[in-house]
Amino acid sequence: DAGVTQSPTHLIKTRGQQVTLRCSPKSGHDTVSWYQQALGQGPQFIFQYYEEEERQRGNFPDRFSGHQFPNYSSELNVNALLLGDSALYLCASSDRGAVGLALGYEQFFGPGTRLTVL
Amino acid sequence: GENVEQHPSTLSVQEGDSAVIKCTYSDSASNYFPWYKQELGKRPQLIIDIRSNVGEKKDQRIAVTLNKTAKHFSLHITETQPEDSAVYFCAASRPGYSSASKIIFGSGTRLSIRP
Repeated sequence: DAGVTQSPTHLIKTRGQQVTLRCSPKSGHDTVSWYQQALGQGPQFIFQYYEEEERQRGNFPDRFSGHQFPNYSSELNVNALLLGDSALYLCASSDRGAVGLALGYEQFFGPGTRLTVL
Repeated sequence: GENVEQHPSTLSVQEGDSAVIKCTYSDSASNYFPWYKQELGKRPQLIIDIRSNVGEKKDQRIAVTLNKTAKHFSLHITETQPEDSAVYFCAASRPGYSSASKIIFGSGTRLSIRP
């Protein structure tokens, strides 16, 4: 049973470029959330997808967009990269159908993608 | 807006002593409070969690307490060991089948265990 996977592991881009990060949720999970973790800080919620739609969004500009596919995997896209976008991007998956059950609340995190913008 | 405050930002304790990290949350609708441990360069890992219908939960050397009235929750680690050294994050969430369940994280506590 594979856990949450993310690709790529590391990425280096220059200012103004665009980037796409990918996430595959844990088997059986239908909900994917994305978080940005700057160095020395706690993860910040970007947005969440289920049923292939963005359901909730944090305080991030429109340069950050996403997508969820029918197989529940997800992509995070960032346009017009800024130096301040350098961070660890974490994907977390959960099972909405299990909410109310003993393990239904937990979000499982992937290993993250380290993005460096030069 | 929703906010989780965490104290202290750094904590150094002697091996074998106890460590306590405290958090407060602002969203009264929060009903799930996970604690994560993050080692350098790795993903956050859930170490213990508590729901709003429970006041205290314990798992071996780790315990968490919740005061819903005061919107406070705390992590207690007893008999600390070198491998407990890491950054710890408290968090709050309100999962629901019909609502998105974003996790609001605290700013983290860097715990160091002195030999």
